Amino acid sequence: KAGVTQTPRYLIKTRGQQVTLSCSPISGHRSVSWYQQTPGQGLQFLFEYFSETQRNKGNFPGRFSGRQFSNSRSEMNVSTLELGDSALYLCASSPDRAGANVLTFGAGSRLTVL
Amino acid sequence: GDSVTQMEGPVTLSEEAFLTINCTYTATGYPSLFWYVQYPGEGLQLLLKATKADDKGSNKGFEATYRKETTSFHLEKGSVQVSDSAVYFCALRAGGGADGLTFGKGTHLIIQP
Repeated sequence: KAGVTQTPRYLIKTRGQQVTLSCSPISGHRSVSWYQQTPGQGLQFLFEYFSETQRNKGNFPGRFSGRQFSNSRSEMNVSTLELGDSALYLCASSPDRAGANVLTFGAGSRLTVL
Repeated sequence: GDSVTQMEGPVTLSEEAFLTINCTYTATGYPSLFWYVQYPGEGLQLLLKATKADDKGSNKGFEATYRKETTSFHLEKGSVQVSDSAVYFCALRAGGGADGLTFGKGTHLIIQP
């Protein structure tokens, strides 16, 4: 059974640009959560999507947004990139709402902002 | 708010040594507790979990017991191997799970042959 797939794995952007990251959950999983991992702040919760609706959101500015499609695939977007947005962005899926299930993580998308 | 505290390391041990990685937490209510492991270049993998007080999670020789009285969830392994070298994260999910998982900073473990 395929795991959680994140694309692209690596990307480089410059300040002010925007970026879109994609996450394909495990087949049959309906919830997708996103986390940001940085050396300074560690792992921080961004948001959770379930049934195409954002259910929860962490403490991040409005530049960070996401969406979920009817096939449960999810994308997250960061607009007006800042140097501090350089991070590993991890996606995790679960069969139902994240609060009730164990999360399975993807390998992440590493974003470098120059 | 909720928080998780763990030693950051690096922790360096010889193969076959006994491992303890301390984890303490602050949370309201009755959180679920987790240990995740991250190997170089990979995402997080669930190592073990416990959902209520006195529960013991175990997997691949690793164990951790949910101690509510000391708000701790220390990770232990009796005999580590070189392949255990990785970063280990302690995490909690509050009762409602509304804010996702709260992670510790991670402990970098290095096992020398």
